[in-house]
Amino acid sequence: DGGITQSPKYLFRKEGQNVTLSCEQNLNHDAMYWYRQDPGQGLRLIYYSQIVNDFQKGDIAEGYSVSREKKESFPLTVTSAQKNPTAFYLCASSPGITGELFFGEGSRLTVL
Amino acid sequence: GQSLEQPSEVTAVEGAIVQINCTYQTSGFYGLSWYQQHDGGAPTFLSYNALDGLEETGRFSSFLSRSDSYGYLLLQELQMKDSASYFCAVRETDSWGKLQFGAGTQVVVTP
Repeated sequence: DGGITQSPKYLFRKEGQNVTLSCEQNLNHDAMYWYRQDPGQGLRLIYYSQIVNDFQKGDIAEGYSVSREKKESFPLTVTSAQKNPTAFYLCASSPGITGELFFGEGSRLTVL
Repeated sequence: GQSLEQPSEVTAVEGAIVQINCTYQTSGFYGLSWYQQHDGGAPTFLSYNALDGLEETGRFSSFLSRSDSYGYLLLQELQMKDSASYFCAVRETDSWGKLQFGAGTQVVVTP
């Protein structure tokens, strides 16, 4: 079945450690996105990519990094520079400029 | 830039009708979308309005008025499973690819 797979679902890390969240899609979508969601809040855009080898900062990119070496993959690294990384991270993809977003099941990161 | 405003919470009984309003400020956008998210889950797409007017999909309808910078999602014949958060979102014309979300409306359906 086509879809978006995020891993891991739950992740714990110590302060000062970098962690990479995986996002893979087999929908053949050009655009991919990373959003952060805090409890009771909306979705805030971290990074997005319209095409392979290109990506743009969203509204809260500081402390995060991404890569887009393959069309189907858009991993997110939460670096130690991110001051408050505990959150629910959602990856999404869309087929085009007005297309709906298809979301993965999310990765819940907790910093101890 | 843009901002979207929607009520934080709405409570209604089963079988009722709920309207979730979304007002926005943006210089230009392709359309207004609505997403549903159950607790702990991923958002799922509900509807999209590119043009002014009403779009109907089963029990859910969505409306857009560009002249009023306003849209709404209408949930009819409410069911317990409709208890969730609902987000409006816009994709701006001057920042292709950035789909910006409102803060969400928590809909609580009671028996």
